[in-house]
Amino acid sequence: DAGVIQSPRHEVTEMGQEVTLRCKPISGHDYLFWYRQTMMRGLELLIYFNNNVPIDDSGMPEDRFSAKMPNASFSTLKIQPSEPRDSAVYFCASRPRMRAAADEQFFGPGTRLTVL
Amino acid sequence: DAKTTQPTSMDCAEGRAANLPCNHSTISGNEYVYWYRQIHSQGPQYIIHGLKNNETNEMASLIITEDRKSSTLILPHATLRDTAVYYCIVRVEAGANNLFFGTGTRLTVIP
Repeated sequence: DAGVIQSPRHEVTEMGQEVTLRCKPISGHDYLFWYRQTMMRGLELLIYFNNNVPIDDSGMPEDRFSAKMPNASFSTLKIQPSEPRDSAVYFCASRPRMRAAADEQFFGPGTRLTVL
Repeated sequence: DAKTTQPTSMDCAEGRAANLPCNHSTISGNEYVYWYRQIHSQGPQYIIHGLKNNETNEMASLIITEDRKSSTLILPHATLRDTAVYYCIVRVEAGANNLFFGTGTRLTVIP
């Protein structure tokens, strides 16, 4: 298994531009998570999906952020318009259906976003 | 979910055991202790988790005190590749899916 795949690995854009981050979870996993990591705030959960349905988006910072999961093998996180404070590493993670005594999330390599 | 307290940083000599402590004095009876680590420029990686009993897998051992207010992650023979930030997380297994990572312990394995 290739693990969680994220693209692009690095993104540099200018303030005001739209940014789309992509994630392919591990096949068969029912849960998908989007996290953001910065030096100031550490690793924060933005949103997670269960069976392609958004369950909790309380971590999404504002309306400029949106996430979709059109099918079980693909998700996007979009920022429109982007701002310099959005610069961070964005991680996608997936997890199989909840099993007894198991809650391992598998993280992708992350997308490093720089907004100039 | 209960809050955890970890030392900011630790050093360990290569080949020796690394013992990483975590305090979770407000842990509830149905909350598990999870450990993840994050190697530089990579995503977090699951290590181990437990409820009451000590646990061991191919990566590490987890020792939980009898009152469950603290735990220790043990890397039996630390290598340079174990240099990473280690996060202790306490959460209800079947509850919310948010993993609160905190600031973790930065472990540096020294040659």
